[in-house]
Amino acid sequence: EVQLMESGGGLVQPGGSLRLSCTASGFTFRTYWMSWVRQAPGKGLEWVANIKPDGSETYYVDSVKGRFIISRDNAKNSLYLQMNSLRAEDTAVYYCARDLTGTVAYFDYWGQGTLVTVSS
Amino acid sequence: EIVLTQSPATLSLSPGERATLSCRASQSVSSFLAWYQQKPGQAPRLLIYDASNRATGIPGRFSGSGSGTDFTLTISSLQPEDIAVYYCQQRGKWPPWYTFGQGTKLEIK
Repeated sequence: EVQLMESGGGLVQPGGSLRLSCTASGFTFRTYWMSWVRQAPGKGLEWVANIKPDGSETYYVDSVKGRFIISRDNAKNSLYLQMNSLRAEDTAVYYCARDLTGTVAYFDYWGQGTLVTVSS
Repeated sequence: EIVLTQSPATLSLSPGERATLSCRASQSVSSFLAWYQQKPGQAPRLLIYDASNRATGIPGRFSGSGSGTDFTLTISSLQPEDIAVYYCQQRGKWPPWYTFGQGTKLEIK
């Protein structure tokens, strides 16, 4: 059974940093593109960043470029999101998501999400 | 950047009725479009990909159609468990950036 489990969310002050983790199981993690997708309270979904299976390519939505870093450790079946210079508008539930097998286009499995709150 | 616009914002129907949800792209996305269902307090679930392919385990009452800029998600006979927000999503050609529509909230009368 495919499972994705996020951790690391919490309350952080504006300008602070936080590192999210996502632990994967039930599939060959090293062969899949992975993404982070967020959802502000009561709002819609926003893709944040993704990473190639071998970690050699990463892409970001413009609003987080230069502040967030996506990475992965295939030996540990883990995905990470280092979030720096956090702003109030980064407050959201952050999901890790796997790309549908054979595509770099859609998300077929999602974690349960971890809440990040940026507030003083 | 391609913008996806969903309509209506809210749809209220009775059990057994047919639901038709729309997603319009600001420019052609060919057939590279997906639909997701998100129930309160849950992560999204992939329903349809490549505009018309049902994802694994999705009931046959869900179907997708369209290409280019206009897409439709149809639920043939509404069930109470279909109460959710539905999102469309596309991925740009390259780099692989993904965008979502703003969602349609489906309510059961």
